Amino acid sequence: SQQGEEDPQALSIQEGENATMNCSYKTSINNLQWYRQNSGRGLVHLILIRSNEREKHSGRLRVTLDTSKKSSSLLITASRAADTASYFCATDSYGNKLVFGAGTILRVKS
Amino acid sequence: ETGVTQTPRHLVMGMTNKKSLKCEQHLGHNAMYWYKQSAKKPLELMFVYSLEERVENNSVPSRFSPECPNSSHLFLHLHTLQPEDSALYLCASSPGTVANTGELFFGEGSRLTVL
Repeated sequence: SQQGEEDPQALSIQEGENATMNCSYKTSINNLQWYRQNSGRGLVHLILIRSNEREKHSGRLRVTLDTSKKSSSLLITASRAADTASYFCATDSYGNKLVFGAGTILRVKS
Repeated sequence: ETGVTQTPRHLVMGMTNKKSLKCEQHLGHNAMYWYKQSAKKPLELMFVYSLEERVENNSVPSRFSPECPNSSHLFLHLHTLQPEDSALYLCASSPGTVANTGELFFGEGSRLTVL
């Protein structure tokens, strides 16, 4: 069953702009992860945020987690054409498997 | 190079064929996974092996048969598939066990087309 749902489904921005993607989930989680997938390739892990954390940074990535609203956001600052990809959130519920959402397709135009 | 290698990268098979997908991880991880990715659908978890034991079989049809001979290798045996089984099959590994998944490391996938 699907746990995380990303919003929007697709996003198109100009190079240099910021991109924000949101993820909502239904049940309590141990951690939430974000992954990137270039077309037809495998997924690459970006960042993991634990349920007791509220914000995490990694380079141009900023992830927030609001467990009261069961939501997370991924912000990519100063986007580049190379950031064009699909982005997925995945939730790890205690003692359970990692469940992925349907993803947000990001297109960065140069 | 992700440390997780999948072969073949592309496979075309008829509905009566028998083929296998192979996954190998060089990371010393404890858990290995098969996911199915179909167009415009979320990734579907198919099977999970933790310390070489199958711990998850997510209502997958019996025409898909996993095998984990050791902690570094995972196979997906395919037989009498249907056209709707055409998809990208992704293998992943993680350092933790299923109880504490942590980060997944994915292979590049095997693109399967069933004619």
